[in-house]
Amino acid sequence: GAGVSQSPSNKVTEKGKDVELRCDPISGHTALYWYRQSLGQGLEFLIYFQGNSAPDKSGLPSDRFSAERTGGSVSTLTIQRTQQEDSAVYLCASSSRTGKGDIQYFGAGTRLSVL
Amino acid sequence: AQSVTQLGSHVSVSEGALVLLRCNYSSSVPPYLFWYVQYPNQGLQLLLKYTSAATLVKGINGFEAEFKKSETSFHLTKPSAHMSDAAEYFCAVSPASGGSYIPTFGRGTSLIVHP
Repeated sequence: GAGVSQSPSNKVTEKGKDVELRCDPISGHTALYWYRQSLGQGLEFLIYFQGNSAPDKSGLPSDRFSAERTGGSVSTLTIQRTQQEDSAVYLCASSSRTGKGDIQYFGAGTRLSVL
Repeated sequence: AQSVTQLGSHVSVSEGALVLLRCNYSSSVPPYLFWYVQYPNQGLQLLLKYTSAATLVKGINGFEAEFKKSETSFHLTKPSAHMSDAAEYFCAVSPASGGSYIPTFGRGTSLIVHP
């Protein structure tokens, strides 16, 4: 596609429910990142996928968070038993290489509100 | 370990005035450095990137940044602010060596432009 696509753009859920957030990276990009953006907190790294390598999950805040990437393309971030503190904008980014200093291309994000 | 500090969560300027957004980094070796801009309800997009080819880097929309190793700084400037420059600006650092491919982002600076 022309850019990184994320869906849904907005998600309102009740505390305790599970949610799935989807990311379609730019075609051919081998690297994919998930970030969480909270007000005034900048971007918090969550998880990184590169090709067929094991993902770097070092940023996931708890075991309620998980992500997968199918076929080296689409990725889904799942949050189980959502809590109010999970409310944030979740951003996905992709890049074309594994080298250092790659430019990241971001989607518009999914705004998650947990009531 | 790498880190990024953006001084000032908000910067307010008049239209036509100089824009200066500050970024200091901490890294054991000179890293790759980036400035990204985020307009409301959009993802981040690259303004410019430092790759050690030149200390003064020119980006899009009239922005530029200067890498100063002695000051570990990479401040973003624009000679004359325009109303359309109002956005959130993020400085990011990516390691040039070592095992990590994951950039670190600053907390962001919100640029407010007054008529």
